Amino acid sequence: DQQVKQNSPSLSVQEGRISILNCDYTNSMFDYFLWYKKYPAEGPTFLISISSIKDKNEDGRFTVFLNKSAKHLSLHIVPSQPGDSAVYFCAAPPVTGANNLFFGTGTRLTVIP
Amino acid sequence: KAGVTQTPRYLIKTRGQQVTLSCSPISGHRSVSWYQQTPGQGLQFLFEYFSETQRNKGNFPGRFSGRQFSNSRSEMNVSTLELGDSALYLCASSLAPGQGARDIQYFGAGTRLSVL
Repeated sequence: DQQVKQNSPSLSVQEGRISILNCDYTNSMFDYFLWYKKYPAEGPTFLISISSIKDKNEDGRFTVFLNKSAKHLSLHIVPSQPGDSAVYFCAAPPVTGANNLFFGTGTRLTVIP
Repeated sequence: KAGVTQTPRYLIKTRGQQVTLSCSPISGHRSVSWYQQTPGQGLQFLFEYFSETQRNKGNFPGRFSGRQFSNSRSEMNVSTLELGDSALYLCASSLAPGQGARDIQYFGAGTRLSVL
């Protein structure tokens, strides 16, 4: 059972515009979320995280929004750059505090120059 | 500081064989987790090791096993390989187990296993 879901397998955006990547989760007990970025032939790289006590976390061009009532989070990239083209995964650890992350299936972002 | 190192990067095996993958964590990291990535499935958690002990295990058959050494390096073994085991196997390290604190996991580049 997929507890973290990314329903859009791909997204194309023009350079300079906003990219919005979405993620839904089913376990209302999740209290921490992470976004990872993955380039081909490389491992996922941590991008940004958010705790459930916040509804927004910002780091430079990247902002993550959390809507707990909807069990939904989104990653905004503004402005999008060609180097942002990658696969983006959202993930959540179990509430037990254990180290196994539940990952979504990823969204492939293509930023068109 | 060196990142997480996984060897080998690529492997080709035939059905029925066994394989061992290696992971060297970031210096000072004590927790090592393994994930399997297949197309359309995202990353699926295999197991986590801390202080040479398996702390958590995902929903994989017993053919998948692992261990961790005193220097935190970890190995993963898959016995009696099946075609469906073809995947990218990723290792991640972090400072310490979660235990309520939010650890960031840092990933290696992975080992791509092809089973023919």
